[in-house]
Amino acid sequence: KQEVTQIPAALSVPEGENLVLNCSFTDSAIYNLQWFRQDPGKGLTSLLLIQSSQREQTSGRLNASLDKSSGRSTLYIAASQPGDSATYLCAMRDANAGKSTFGDGTTLTVKP
Amino acid sequence: GAVVSQHPSRVICKSGTSVKIECRSLDFQATTMFWYRQFPKQSLMLMATSNEGSKATYEQGVEKDKFLINHASLTLSTLTVTSAHPEDSSFYICSAKWQNIQYFGAGTRLSVL
Repeated sequence: KQEVTQIPAALSVPEGENLVLNCSFTDSAIYNLQWFRQDPGKGLTSLLLIQSSQREQTSGRLNASLDKSSGRSTLYIAASQPGDSATYLCAMRDANAGKSTFGDGTTLTVKP
Repeated sequence: GAVVSQHPSRVICKSGTSVKIECRSLDFQATTMFWYRQFPKQSLMLMATSNEGSKATYEQGVEKDKFLINHASLTLSTLTVTSAHPEDSSFYICSAKWQNIQYFGAGTRLSVL
């Protein structure tokens, strides 16, 4: 059974810091890995999607990497801002079973 | 930007009744739509992927007869929770894909009494 773990569950940083969010998965046979953010009252936003054949994707201040051999993905946020405060979720799509599994998320607070 | 409208935002129903949730892409045509479920204080779960004009593809463990998905047009997908029971109470979120980006509705909070 695929398990996706996000550690830490919560993170608080001062504005301007660069930070890394972690996502670990147990089955390396992945189809793709996706990062989302969830804002209370505003819903979900898809951030980055990394296909199995890719190693990273970048969008603005965000960079997501994928290391299948170690079962890890990281989301790097550069120069964090208070507006980055949200819960960040990763989801791994299994290549064999065709099933998506979400982590429980990391709740990020960026203090001004 | 692309907007996905989900209706209703909240619904309370009696056990045994059916509830329909609508998901509309307002300013784009979505060939693919997704339905998710989120339990309180728990993670998201993808329920199904629907392509316009064809049957939805359900994830493992999701009851097709319980959660009926219809994607009859490029701008509308519906999720019907049939014979709802208290354990179906949850937050349901739809998403529509356009130009390879997923856009999400604000979600529907379903409470079954």
